[in-house]
Amino acid sequence: NAGVTQTPKFQVLKTGQSMTLQCAQDMNHEYMSWYRQDPGMGLRLIHYSVGAGITDQGEVPNGYNVSRSTTEDFPLRLLSAAPSQTSVYFCASSSSWRGTQETQYFGPGTRLLVL
Amino acid sequence: AQKITQTQPGMFVQEKEAVTLDCTYDTSDQSYGLFWYKQPSSGEMIFLIYQGSYDEQNATEGRYSLNFQKARKSANLVISASQLGDSAMYFCAMREVWDSSYKLIFGSGTRLLVRP
Repeated sequence: NAGVTQTPKFQVLKTGQSMTLQCAQDMNHEYMSWYRQDPGMGLRLIHYSVGAGITDQGEVPNGYNVSRSTTEDFPLRLLSAAPSQTSVYFCASSSSWRGTQETQYFGPGTRLLVL
Repeated sequence: AQKITQTQPGMFVQEKEAVTLDCTYDTSDQSYGLFWYKQPSSGEMIFLIYQGSYDEQNATEGRYSLNFQKARKSANLVISASQLGDSAMYFCAMREVWDSSYKLIFGSGTRLLVRP
């Protein structure tokens, strides 16, 4: 049981390049989400999904796309990287979204640098 | 207005002593959950403890306890018998039941350093 996995761990991009950050979970969790963490701040929600085929925007969705074709995978796509997207990206999952008590478990993070 | 406020950017504690990390929150929702996460220097986010708004007892998990004062809207984390491995960033977070994105709202964190 690997939990939530993310690849790559670290990536350097040039402005305008595109890439996909991978996220997978093996806990059969319904809810998955992507957050970004910037220096001196907590995490902010980019996109989320409540099940396969269902995605929606969070607080800071501009410049990112997501899809959820399977329960296990939730990739995050950067369409045209900008220096403002330099950040640490975390994927998280929880067994359900109902109620407030569902704990979200985080992946190890992807550190992205856009030059 | 900030939803989660952590007023201590950094704190020191002596090994084996207890330490309290402050967290205040702002919500008009009656139903919400409060979480604490630990982020060591390796970067991962580790769930520590959860408190529901309707829970009458303070949550405890091993050396971690949550001092929940609903009227004051505070949810302070207490770490007893600090260990060197407790040195890390600590984040308080909240989830509101009305929020259809089910997101966690995070504070800016407190960096804890445990001295030997």
